Amino acid sequence: KQEVTQIPAALSVPEGENLVLNCSFTDSAIYNLQWFRQDPGKGLTSLLLIQSSQREQTSGRLNASLDKSSGRSTLYIAASQPGDSATYLCAVAPNFGNEKLTFGTGTRLTIIP
Amino acid sequence: DAGVTQSPTHLIKTRGQHVTLRCSPISGHKSVSWYQQVLGQGPQFIFQYYEKEERGRGNFPDRFSARQFPNYSSELNVNALLLGDSALYLCASSLTAQSYLWTDTQYFGPGTRLTVL
Repeated sequence: KQEVTQIPAALSVPEGENLVLNCSFTDSAIYNLQWFRQDPGKGLTSLLLIQSSQREQTSGRLNASLDKSSGRSTLYIAASQPGDSATYLCAVAPNFGNEKLTFGTGTRLTIIP
Repeated sequence: DAGVTQSPTHLIKTRGQHVTLRCSPISGHKSVSWYQQVLGQGPQFIFQYYEKEERGRGNFPDRFSARQFPNYSSELNVNALLLGDSALYLCASSLTAQSYLWTDTQYFGPGTRLTVL
C-alpha cells in the first residue's frame, strides 16, 4: 500500500526567503507525482506534475524535483511572498490512466511579511 | 471556460440521513473522480468514473455510491450518514488515458463541505 508523507506539517518563514518542502513515498512504482496548493476551505490547484521518467519541473518561482528510486520529491519556492501562504500537498499516481491519487497530509506554509 | 463545479457548497445533515453531492466536469473531460478530505488530512480517493462506468474504488463502505451521467456530470451518494462522514468532498475531472489529448493533470473543484450533526 502506497503511503505518502510530508514533513514538516507546518512551516513559517519570513518573506523573501527561499524554502523547500519535502514529500516521500513508500512505493517507487509510480506513474507521476503532482504538487497541489490548497487555500483554507478551498479546492486544490495543481502546481506542477512530474512524470516518473523526469527529474524536475519548473514553473515561475516553483521547482519540483523527483528521485523515484529513493521515493522523494521536493518543492522549491524561491523568493517567497505572503501570497504563497497555503497548504501544499503532494500526490502520486500509480500507473497510466489510473487516477487514484494517493495524497500526503500536506505542509501548511505561512510566509511572514 | 468554466472549471469543475460542485453543488452545493455547504451542507448540514443529521446522522442517519442521506446526501447527494453533484459535480460537473470541465467541458470535454470524460473522467470524474471523488475524494474525501477530513480536516487536517490529505484527500482520500473514493471513486473514479469514466464513460459512465466505475473504473476505481477506494476503501470506503457500501454506504458510498456514485454514478456518472451521459453528459459526464456525476453524483456522489452517501447513505446512513455518520459523524465521521463530515468532510470536504472534492470532485476532479480529467481527460482520459484513452484520449490522445490526455494531460495527466486532474482539475479539482472547490468542494462541498458536509457537516453531519
